[in-house]
Amino acid sequence: EVQLAQSGVEVKKPGESLKISCQGSGYSFTNYWIAWVRQLPGKGPEWMGVIYPDDSDTRYIPSFQGQVTISVDKSIFTAYLQWSSLKASDTAMYYCARQNYYDSPEGARHFYFDYWGQGTLVTVSS
Amino acid sequence: EVVMTQSPATLSVSPGERATLSCTASQSVSSKLAWYQQKPGQPPRLLIYGASTRAAGIPARFSGSGSGTDFTLIISSLRSEDSAVYYCQQYDKWHMFTLGLGTKLEIK
Repeated sequence: EVQLAQSGVEVKKPGESLKISCQGSGYSFTNYWIAWVRQLPGKGPEWMGVIYPDDSDTRYIPSFQGQVTISVDKSIFTAYLQWSSLKASDTAMYYCARQNYYDSPEGARHFYFDYWGQGTLVTVSS
Repeated sequence: EVVMTQSPATLSVSPGERATLSCTASQSVSSKLAWYQQKPGQPPRLLIYGASTRAAGIPARFSGSGSGTDFTLIISSLRSEDSAVYYCQQYDKWHMFTLGLGTKLEIK
């Protein structure tokens, strides 16, 4: 069974650092991109970036570039999302999700996120 | 950035009836559109990709259509468990995924 298990609730102060994790199981972890997704309270999901565990190739959505670091340790099937200095505005639920794809007969590649972690709630407050 | 606009923001429909949700892209995304369902306290759940292909385990009550800039998700024979927020997402530019603000579906 495919599972993405995320680390638990975090309560931090502004300026602190944080690294949350997402461990995959039940599939070939290195062969699927992993995305990190932010969901602010009461808002819709926002993709932050993706990482390919086999070679650590990482792509960020521009608005998140430089704000967070996405990394992976493929030896333990775990992806990470990291902040060096948290802000109150980072308070959100963070999800990891597995990216899959389908190649249509017409030659188009369709990406979709078929498995999701349960989410990690991060609260940043003084 | 491709901006996705969903309408209506809220939809209230009776059980057994049909709900029609719309999604418009600011530029053509071909058929590179997915729909997700999200219930409170849960991660998003994939319903549709390729604008019209149901994901594994998704009942036939859920159907997607459209291409280019205009897309529709129809949920027929509505049940109470369909109450959720529905998001459309484009993936025309890989890794630059963007979503709409969602349609909140309420079952009366």
